[in-house]
Amino acid sequence: AQSVAQPEDQVNVAEGNPLTVKCTYSVSGNPYLFWYVQYPNRGLQFLLKYITGDNLVKGSYGFEAEFNKSQTSFHLKKPSALVSDSALYFCAVRDGRGGADGLTFGKGTHLIIQP
Amino acid sequence: GAVVSQHPSWVICKSGTSVKIECRSLDFQATTMFWYRQFPKQSLMLMATSNEGSKATYEQGVEKDKFLINHASLTLSTLTVTSAHPEDSSFYICSARALAGGSSGANVLTFGAGSRLTVL
Repeated sequence: AQSVAQPEDQVNVAEGNPLTVKCTYSVSGNPYLFWYVQYPNRGLQFLLKYITGDNLVKGSYGFEAEFNKSQTSFHLKKPSALVSDSALYFCAVRDGRGGADGLTFGKGTHLIIQP
Repeated sequence: GAVVSQHPSWVICKSGTSVKIECRSLDFQATTMFWYRQFPKQSLMLMATSNEGSKATYEQGVEKDKFLINHASLTLSTLTVTSAHPEDSSFYICSARALAGGSSGANVLTFGAGSRLTVL
């Protein structure tokens, strides 16, 4: 079984400061890892993914995430936060061994960027 | 980029009625679509995997006779909540995975905007 943990319900960051949203995962095979963002009453928007290759993945809106196999983590980062980054962020994992299984999501982390 | 359209975006119905939610991939073909349910301030729970031309695969604890899923074409999957009750009120989100080699990539899911169901 695969699982995702987002240990923080909420992260508060001042505008212009760097931000980190934490994510750890558990999966049997090689992980496919994703970050999605959800704005109020909206569906999810894809930010970035790690499948293979470089551990540092760059995605939309200036976000990046670092895959750390030894720590089974995939933390989302951004060097300088914007107020418009305030949203609900979900980390998700899928077992890379194949199949059409849906993603397993973390519980989500509310990111609040304060002006 | 890949777009998934969900309709209706919100619906209010009386208890005991059935409600159909459509999920369409607008610019790509999706062999597989997924239906999720999201409770307020909670994560997404995978309900079922919908495969074009075959029966849906339901997650444990999801009533297949309650939540009917049909994936009749490569661009359309429907979720019908039958005999809806107030506890079925939720935000339902679909996602679609393109055929391998498609422009949206074989591993990235594209999500619809969601459908908020309120059962009175």
